[in-house]
Amino acid sequence: EAGVAQSPRYKIIEKRQSVAFWCNPISGHATLYWYQQILGQGPKLLIQFQNNGVVDDSQLPKDRFSAERLKGVDSTLKIQPAKLEDSAVYLCASSLEMGLGVYNEQFFGPGTRLTVL
Amino acid sequence: AQSVTQLDSHVSVSEGTPVLLRCNYSSSYSPSLFWYVQHPNKGLQLLLKYTSAATLVKGINGFEAEFKKSETSFHLTKPSAHMSDAAEYFCVVSDELNTGFQKLVFGTGTRLLVSP
Repeated sequence: EAGVAQSPRYKIIEKRQSVAFWCNPISGHATLYWYQQILGQGPKLLIQFQNNGVVDDSQLPKDRFSAERLKGVDSTLKIQPAKLEDSAVYLCASSLEMGLGVYNEQFFGPGTRLTVL
Repeated sequence: AQSVTQLDSHVSVSEGTPVLLRCNYSSSYSPSLFWYVQHPNKGLQLLLKYTSAATLVKGINGFEAEFKKSETSFHLTKPSAHMSDAAEYFCVVSDELNTGFQKLVFGTGTRLLVSP
């Protein structure tokens, strides 16, 4: 079974530039997550989709970050414009459909390491 | 909101000796707790999970964890460390969103170093 795919694996940009990350979840997984992992910290949830609807985006800096999951499969996360503090690993994860009070295991991709200079 | 505290940022052991990675949780209700492992340049992998069944949970690669409500702890153990266990370990609690859906809240991580 193929895992969660992410691209690119590494990206270096100047501050104020824009960048986009792509994620392809495991086939059949309705729920998709984007996390930000700053060096030395645990991953922090940015946004959670159930199919193509947003379940939670309370920690997404909406003035500069945006995410979409058209057609309920692939997803893209965009940063525009980037700041120095956005340097981090961006992780995508997917799971079977979440239900009220139901937890299904999240499977993580390898991440995209972003460096903002 | 739920949270977890990992008490050690680094733990060093010798190969063949026991491993103990400590985690305390804060929860207003009976939590679901997890341990994830992250090897360099690899994705996070679920080691084990506690979801209010047996308090002693067995996971992959010989790891286990015990849920102790009286101590609000969920420490990860392994009887004998292997070189391949060297990695970053995250204690995680499941928190409930306003929508009723669950989200994961990660600790800051413990780096396990294993020497020959």
